[in-house]
Amino acid sequence: DIQMTQSPSSLSASVGDRVTITCRASQSISSYLNWYQQKAGKAPKLLIYATSSLQSGVPSRFSGSGSGTDFTLTITSLQPEDSATYYCQQSYSISPITFGHGTRLEI
Amino acid sequence: QVQLVESGGGVVQPGGSLRLSCAASGFTFSNHGMHWVRQAPGKGLEWVAFIGHDGSNKYYADSVKGRFTISRDNSKNTLFLQMISLRAEDTAVYYCAKDRRSYHDSSGHYYVLDHWGQGTLVTVSS
Repeated sequence: DIQMTQSPSSLSASVGDRVTITCRASQSISSYLNWYQQKAGKAPKLLIYATSSLQSGVPSRFSGSGSGTDFTLTITSLQPEDSATYYCQQSYSISPITFGHGTRLEI
Repeated sequence: QVQLVESGGGVVQPGGSLRLSCAASGFTFSNHGMHWVRQAPGKGLEWVAFIGHDGSNKYYADSVKGRFTISRDNSKNTLFLQMISLRAEDTAVYYCAKDRRSYHDSSGHYYVLDHWGQGTLVTVSS
């Protein structure tokens, strides 16, 4: 299985800040990396797919980068509504699909 | 707009069975693979199963292989998850999710979950 390791597990930031969340794969996954946002009590929402493509309707303050094993999600100009848990997911292998353990962002 | 509505969750005893459904609308259901993902209370996301657009390809997490069966009825735009031999560790909110890529697409990544239902809670307890 491809293991996905996220860091940090939690962080606190202020409105207007820029934050970066890191995701590392246990083997190369090319650009097959996606990011999801999950707010408390809600279903996850796709933010970014294929490392850096912004899902329709997602604000441009969210961006992704990386390749191979190391990836980042960057949120600029933090807003109060960005408070959530963020998960990375590899779509390189279906057997199985794996998620990171999540990063809880408190604004 | 895309809508996914899960149903069928509830409380079941260890060793029992349950069948989850996911009613889809707002897109051409028969063109897209579908997933089940679960989330135990206070925990992260765990992928459970995938089924291809026509039901010909199915994949499962090791933790549910042999106990869970994913299926679909394209005539009714509905996805299913049949669960047997349920264990306490199967307790979770179960989400169905749509795969972003249509089988018509000539490019793009599979296994990107672009729309999710609201989830249905399964509790396995005596």
